[in-house]
Amino acid sequence: GDSVTQMEGPVTLSEEAFLTINCTYTATGYPSLFWYVQYPGEGLQLLLKATKADDKGSNKGFEATYRKETTSFHLEKGSVQVSDSAVYFCALSVRSNYQLIWGAGTKLIIKP
Amino acid sequence: GAVVSQHPSWVICKSGTSVKIECRSLDFQATTMFWYRQFPKQSLMLMATSNEGSKATYEQGVEKDKFLINHASLTLSTLTVTSAHPEDSSFYICSASRGSGGNSYNEQFFGPGTRLTVL
Repeated sequence: GDSVTQMEGPVTLSEEAFLTINCTYTATGYPSLFWYVQYPGEGLQLLLKATKADDKGSNKGFEATYRKETTSFHLEKGSVQVSDSAVYFCALSVRSNYQLIWGAGTKLIIKP
Repeated sequence: GAVVSQHPSWVICKSGTSVKIECRSLDFQATTMFWYRQFPKQSLMLMATSNEGSKATYEQGVEKDKFLINHASLTLSTLTVTSAHPEDSSFYICSASRGSGGNSYNEQFFGPGTRLTVL
């Protein structure tokens, strides 16, 4: 069945470091891909998305490119800040009724 | 805009009792609402999808008689855990979407979650 695998956390980085959080997927058909972020004490928020191969989603300095050949959607940011500390979830959707299939989440800790 | 609230944020109850969790879309009408369950260090598991005014669609393996979902209005959905047991202890998250069908993705807006502990 459809599934999402993302790197385990926590990931601990210093401020201004380069960030990569890996995400790979297995899906039938042509999924849309998403990154959600959950800040402490808040609900999940859509960070970025890509709906077809080679699309690049971007928001708040984060980027992810939909790579069909490697079935990946890795999240990157060139220079992280303490305020980026959160849990990041990769997800996909292949069904017409908006259902999402989630990765396990990766906790990101940025130290000043 | 697009704020979703959940109440309560945490609840502790005795085994055998029922617990109701509310999910409200505060500034938009939610045609579709979703209920998820999240175990520690695991991904979100979709429990059910509900459309306003109709019965919820439950995912395979989710007991509909145990997890009662009501979506009586465009701004409110409730999840009632009936005869709760310690294994029902979990983090329950709802989300709401403005979409009502079709092939395009409509963004889900998430509540902050409810921590249920059954003693």
